Amino acid sequence: EDKVVQSPLSLVVHEGDTVTLNCSYEVTNFRSLLWYKQEKKAPTFLFMLTSSGIEKKSGRLSSILDKKELFSILNITATQTGDSAVYLCAVEGSNTGKLIFGQGTTLQVKP
Amino acid sequence: SAVISQKPSRDICQRGTSLTIQCQVDSQVTMMFWYRQQPGQSLTLIATANQGSEATYESGFVIDKFPISRPNLTFSTLTVSNMSPEDSSIYLCSGEVGGGETQYFGPGTRLLVL
Repeated sequence: EDKVVQSPLSLVVHEGDTVTLNCSYEVTNFRSLLWYKQEKKAPTFLFMLTSSGIEKKSGRLSSILDKKELFSILNITATQTGDSAVYLCAVEGSNTGKLIFGQGTTLQVKP
Repeated sequence: SAVISQKPSRDICQRGTSLTIQCQVDSQVTMMFWYRQQPGQSLTLIATANQGSEATYESGFVIDKFPISRPNLTFSTLTVSNMSPEDSSIYLCSGEVGGGETQYFGPGTRLLVL
């Protein structure tokens, strides 16, 4: 059965800290791994990863995929209170477009 | 980035009634998806809405409870039928917009069933 597991489930840090969020997966015919940020309702897209070892970066956020070990990490440096959200990892397998989501990591950044 | 809109944004409904949620995309997409997010939970796929054919439902979801329409490549509806309080969730639609592989989400419909 396809599965996506995120850790930790929740995290509390202070502004300026660096955090690393983890996502491991077991999926048939892996196509891509996506990271989303969810603050209120709709998940907003952060990154899509398809190849191992290539870091994707956007401002203070970066992510990398390891297809051999079947995991990805999302790094956030110099965290701000506006980074407080649920971070969702999702994997698409079998070329169907369907996303399998992990449980999410709830990040709280305190001033 | 893509624009996906949903209506209504929220609703409070009585048990036993039905609610139809609309999803509109600002460009054509081959596949649209409907997800449910129960309180405190992650997203679970309900079904894939295909234009010109019946929707494909995931395990645990059936057409009688969640009928889906997909009349064209930019629009879909999801109906939550014969609602019970357990149907209280956020319902989200998504699609791979722009010809790429990135899936974008609508703003969601927050449903409360009393």
